[in-house]
Amino acid sequence: AQTVTQSQPEMSVQEAETVTLSCTYDTSENNYYLFWYKQPPSRQMILVIRQEAYKQQNATENRFSVNFQKAAKSFSLKISDSQLGDTAMYFCAFMATYKYIFGTGTRLKVLA
Amino acid sequence: EPEVTQTPSHQVTQMGQEVILRCVPISNHLYFYWYRQILGQKVEFLVSFYNNEISEKSEIFDDQFSVERPDGSNFTLKIRSTKLEDSAMYFCASSGVFSYEQYFGPGTRLTVT
Repeated sequence: AQTVTQSQPEMSVQEAETVTLSCTYDTSENNYYLFWYKQPPSRQMILVIRQEAYKQQNATENRFSVNFQKAAKSFSLKISDSQLGDTAMYFCAFMATYKYIFGTGTRLKVLA
Repeated sequence: EPEVTQTPSHQVTQMGQEVILRCVPISNHLYFYWYRQILGQKVEFLVSFYNNEISEKSEIFDDQFSVERPDGSNFTLKIRSTKLEDSAMYFCASSGVFSYEQYFGPGTRLTVT
């Protein structure tokens, strides 16, 4: 069975600092996709960043970047220059077939 | 930019009543999905739908649930006889034929009393 594990239920970071959220997954598939979603209090699911497993290069979107380690099945999210608006729940998600499998989330609080 | 829409944003219903949650996927998308998120928990897959058929469903998606694409634009989730434990946020998503990325709607918050 495919699983996604986020081992940090809660994290906090000072504004303008950098924080890394961890995610590991388990699969026997070779081709798959990984995502990080942000869920603010409105509970809307907002795509932060995506990574195709066949790409060795780590994805980057402005202040957000990932460290994708395929052999270790690890997919961490780094947020640089944290802003108050980054305060939210962050979910890691995996997709091989046509469904997403989500982790349990990390609640991130950015402190002023 | 095209987006997935869902109505209503919040629905309150009594236990045992039927509810229909509505979604309008992105117009040229062909794959449709429902997910559920109980408050404070992770988002869970319910069902995927393609070519007017269910492609895959989870254990949560029992006989009380059904999905339908009644016309060319809407995609609905029906819960026949709601239970207290059906209270959750329900997300609709859609994806294109050659795209792996799913686009999520804003969700419908269902409260069963």
